[in-house]
Amino acid sequence: KAGVTQTPRYLIKTRGQQVTLSCSPISGHRSVSWYQQTPGQGLQFLFEYFSETQRNKGNFPGRFSGRQFSNSRSEMNVSTLELGDSALYLCASSPMTAEADTQYFGPGTRLTVL
Amino acid sequence: TQLLEQSPQFLSIQEGENLTVYCNSSSVFSSLQWYRQEPGEGPVLLVTVVTGGEVKKLKRLTFQFGDARKDSSLHITAAQTGDTGLYLCAGWVSGGYNKLIFGAGTRLAVHP
Repeated sequence: KAGVTQTPRYLIKTRGQQVTLSCSPISGHRSVSWYQQTPGQGLQFLFEYFSETQRNKGNFPGRFSGRQFSNSRSEMNVSTLELGDSALYLCASSPMTAEADTQYFGPGTRLTVL
Repeated sequence: TQLLEQSPQFLSIQEGENLTVYCNSSSVFSSLQWYRQEPGEGPVLLVTVVTGGEVKKLKRLTFQFGDARKDSSLHITAAQTGDTGLYLCAGWVSGGYNKLIFGAGTRLAVHP
């Protein structure tokens, strides 16, 4: 099976702009989670989607949003970009988010905000 | 808020040495996972520990879950340069639907 793919791999934006990142999960996986990884804060949970519904959400401002399509592909959007949004954004898929379930991560999208 | 603290933050050793990294919390977790992340890639799951006191071995890597299920350790025997990477522990937080929280990680560099 193909792994989790994320596009684009690298992105450079300026403050105030908005950005959309895309994630294609492993075929058959219905749960997609998004994480932000920075050197200072580590890996932080953004949100999780299952069957097109957001089931769980981390402590991020409303500028961070996401959605999931009927084919389980997911997008996340960040509006009004700030310098502090520079990070590696990782998406992970799993068959369903059950206790101790394995999350399969994509390679990430590295976002730089200038 | 459930937090996972990892130590040490950085570790630089020579090939052949042994090492242990720790993951601690004041909260009880029903399970903990260990991931390894290499540059330019996403984290990859190494192991899941579920039962308090459980010990799992993966070749030269030994994982232990504390009896009280608040801490875990990863021991690497005879480290190799291929073990270089960021080691992350993660725990599932219950409450409605589950979510995974991560420690800050231990960055390991193994030199030839």
